[in-house]
Amino acid sequence: NAGVMQNPRHLVRRRGQEARLRCSPMKGHSHVYWYRQLPEEGLKFMVYLQKENIIDESGMPKERFSAEFPKEGPSILRIQQVVRGDSAAYFCASSPGQGAADTQYFGPGTRLTVL
Amino acid sequence: KQEVTQIPAALSVPEGENLVLNCSFTDSAIYNLQWFRQDPGKGLTSLLLIQSSQREQTSGRLNASLDKSSGRSTLYIAASQPGDSATYLCAADGSSNTGKLIFGQGTTLQVKP
Repeated sequence: NAGVMQNPRHLVRRRGQEARLRCSPMKGHSHVYWYRQLPEEGLKFMVYLQKENIIDESGMPKERFSAEFPKEGPSILRIQQVVRGDSAAYFCASSPGQGAADTQYFGPGTRLTVL
Repeated sequence: KQEVTQIPAALSVPEGENLVLNCSFTDSAIYNLQWFRQDPGKGLTSLLLIQSSQREQTSGRLNASLDKSSGRSTLYIAASQPGDSATYLCAADGSSNTGKLIFGQGTTLQVKP
């Protein structure tokens, strides 16, 4: 059973470009979480999704950021018109069920660098 | 609003020593608390998850305890090894039972041979 997969592992974008980060959850997991780790800061929750639904997006910046988890295919975190402050490691986690009972399994992360 | 704090920020010990990492949280109404390990440039590896109804969990040389009333959790590492060197993160759920995790800043551990 492959773990959580994220690609690309490293992504370089120039200011104003778009960044698309992909996350394939573990097999059998239907819950996906995105977290961001800014340099010298801890991990911060961004968004929680189930298939075709955004459950909690309280950690998402109001503008330029969006996330989806379609019925088929990976979850996508999309950042439009990137700025240097978006440079960070973005981690995806998945779990088989919702909430407290289930351990979240993290992917290796995508390290975004904005030039 | 849940806030999670970890002390110390960094710790250096000689190989073989037993050690304790501390985690405190402000909202005692948690559903669970998780401990993770993060190696430089890598993702997170889940070590232990303690449900709110539990007091501790053990895995090998690791033991994690939870005291909701005092808002504290500890991770005990027995007989530390150089391979234990990493950043250890604790995370409490956001009290909404959605699985949203609130992370501490982490304790960076160095075990010297």
